[in-house]
Amino acid sequence: DGGITQSPKYLFRKEGQNVTLSCEQNLNHDAMYWYRQDPGQGLRLIYYSQIVNDFQKGDIAEGYSVSREKKESFPLTVTSAQKNPTAFYLCASSIRPSGGRYNEQFFGPGTRLTVL
Amino acid sequence: ILNVEQSPQSLHVQEGDSTNFTCSFPSSNFYALHWYRWETAKSPEALFVMTLNGDEKKKGRISATLNTKEGYSYLYIKGSQPEDSATYLCACDILTGGGNKLTFGTGTQLKVEL
Repeated sequence: DGGITQSPKYLFRKEGQNVTLSCEQNLNHDAMYWYRQDPGQGLRLIYYSQIVNDFQKGDIAEGYSVSREKKESFPLTVTSAQKNPTAFYLCASSIRPSGGRYNEQFFGPGTRLTVL
Repeated sequence: ILNVEQSPQSLHVQEGDSTNFTCSFPSSNFYALHWYRWETAKSPEALFVMTLNGDEKKKGRISATLNTKEGYSYLYIKGSQPEDSATYLCACDILTGGGNKLTFGTGTQLKVEL
């Protein structure tokens, strides 16, 4: 059963603690993405990776970090430097777009992070 | 940052009504326009991707059109059913130095009532 898994579904942390959100895919996709959703806003890109051991900042990368040591995995760490971390986080993956191919992304179910 | 806008923000219709939503986007560096359907507690699911001006796509009772010259896309639902209740997202696929990226609108939340 191919797809993207994110765990956990709900996560609670105390202010000042770092927290890592998991994202795993078995679709053999090269590219992976992290988005954040806040009420009344569209999905905003935090970080993306087009290939193993490489990643780029998205539009709102401050206070976040990522790694891409394996093709299947793209964990996101929300650090204590992120001023407003409570949000819904979505992970996605796609075949790496190249040479005239559009970027069709497939999404996980998301993790809702609440910082108390 | 590219600005993709969707309207209306939310919509309540009766079962059997037909409805439509709008997605507007800047046309510079445009590559494709994606529509996703996002039901509560599930993952967003791809509905359509369109690349050419004048494209029309259809899946059952749902269809979409694309106008790249004026920068808009319409999503139509004919004879709405309660199972159509979801948030409908559009995303503009643009070419950047770092590869294709998607910029999402805020979504239209559709509620179909019996």
